Amino acid sequence: KAGVTQTPRYLIKTRGQQVTLSCSPISGHRSVSWYQQTPGQGLQFLFEYFSETQRNKGNFPGRFSGRQFSNSRSEMNVSTLELGDSALYLCASSSMPDQPQHFGDGTRLSIL
Amino acid sequence: SQQGEEDPQALSIQEGENATMNCSYKTSINNLQWYRQNSGRGLVHLILIRSNEREKHSGRLRVTLDTSKKSSSLLITASRAADTASYFCATEQKTGNQFYFGTGTSLTVIP
Repeated sequence: KAGVTQTPRYLIKTRGQQVTLSCSPISGHRSVSWYQQTPGQGLQFLFEYFSETQRNKGNFPGRFSGRQFSNSRSEMNVSTLELGDSALYLCASSSMPDQPQHFGDGTRLSIL
Repeated sequence: SQQGEEDPQALSIQEGENATMNCSYKTSINNLQWYRQNSGRGLVHLILIRSNEREKHSGRLRVTLDTSKKSSSLLITASRAADTASYFCATEQKTGNQFYFGTGTSLTVIP
């Protein structure tokens, strides 16, 4: 079974731009969560989607948004990028929200 | 912060020794999970323990959970160089079902 796939692996953007990150969950998994990982703040929960509905949202500004499609694939969008948005963005999928999460290798976003 | 705290932040041991890391959290939980992360990669799920369980084993891993103290520990026995990684605990909150990750323990196993 293929694992969680995140694209792209690396991305370089400049301040003020916007970016869209993609996540394909494990086949059959309906729950997708997004996390931001930085050396200073650690792993912080962004949001969780289940069956195309946002089930939970972390404490991030409205510049961070996401969605989930009917095939469970998910996208995350960050608008008006700031230097502090530089991070590893991780996507995780699970069969149900209370089950173990399977992580992708992340998208490394660098803001210049 | 609702994140868990892990202790120690960093641990360095000789191959063959046991490694113990601890996690403390703040609110009531449904379950607690342990993950490992190799440098530059995603997290790999190790073990899940539910709030009504006290101990769980998986291979060389032993996890305990004390809900009265809001703490958990992960024991890796007979460590190997390949166990070198960062280890995180994650709690699923009872209210809101959000996941919160701890700050992580960086484990180095010296061959």
